[in-house]
Amino acid sequence: SQKIEQNSEALNIQEGKTATLTCNYTNYSPAYLQWYRQDPGRGPVFLLLIRENEKEKRKERLKVTFDTTLKQSLFHITASQPADSATYLCALYSSASKIIFGSGTRLSIRP
Amino acid sequence: DGGITQSPKYLFRKEGQNVTLSCEQNLNHDAMYWYRQDPGQGLRLIYYSQIVNDFQKGDIAEGYSVSREKKESFPLTVTSAQKNPTAFYLCASSIDGRWSYEQYFGPGTRLTVT
Repeated sequence: SQKIEQNSEALNIQEGKTATLTCNYTNYSPAYLQWYRQDPGRGPVFLLLIRENEKEKRKERLKVTFDTTLKQSLFHITASQPADSATYLCALYSSASKIIFGSGTRLSIRP
Repeated sequence: DGGITQSPKYLFRKEGQNVTLSCEQNLNHDAMYWYRQDPGQGLRLIYYSQIVNDFQKGDIAEGYSVSREKKESFPLTVTSAQKNPTAFYLCASSIDGRWSYEQYFGPGTRLTVT
């Protein structure tokens, strides 16, 4: 069956370090992959989109990679700050499944 | 100030009652979506509308109904047929119905049914 997995455990990172979050999927052939940030009790906010034919996308301190062979996307936040603490969601689109969201990884940046 | 509004933020209902959640956008977006989020789970698509007067079922449409009579409005009715209605409901919109576009989310409505 189709599945999308993100680290279920919270990730705790020291301020200034790079945070790396993982999104793995099985039995999909996604055309697009998106990353969103969600703060407690609020709606998600779009961060980055990467297409199946793109290996990497950057935006300021954010970087996303997409490896269709490994069926994995990595989301990096460099020079992390306490304000980056939130839950990060990945979402896949495929023609068969429309959009599917992962359950998210909670990131905590300690000063 | 453009964006998506959902009201109310918190909603309480007795079991067996239908309830309608409001979603309005002034972004001039063609497509609108409703999701449900339960603790520890990803967002699940309930219904979506790619254009006015048209909508499609998502993955978990049973027990829900929608209408799209106006471009800016996409209300969701949670009917008494929905077995587990207590959840956080999120409305979103995108420029058009192509799934490659980013979605803009509202602040959500937390529905509690007792």
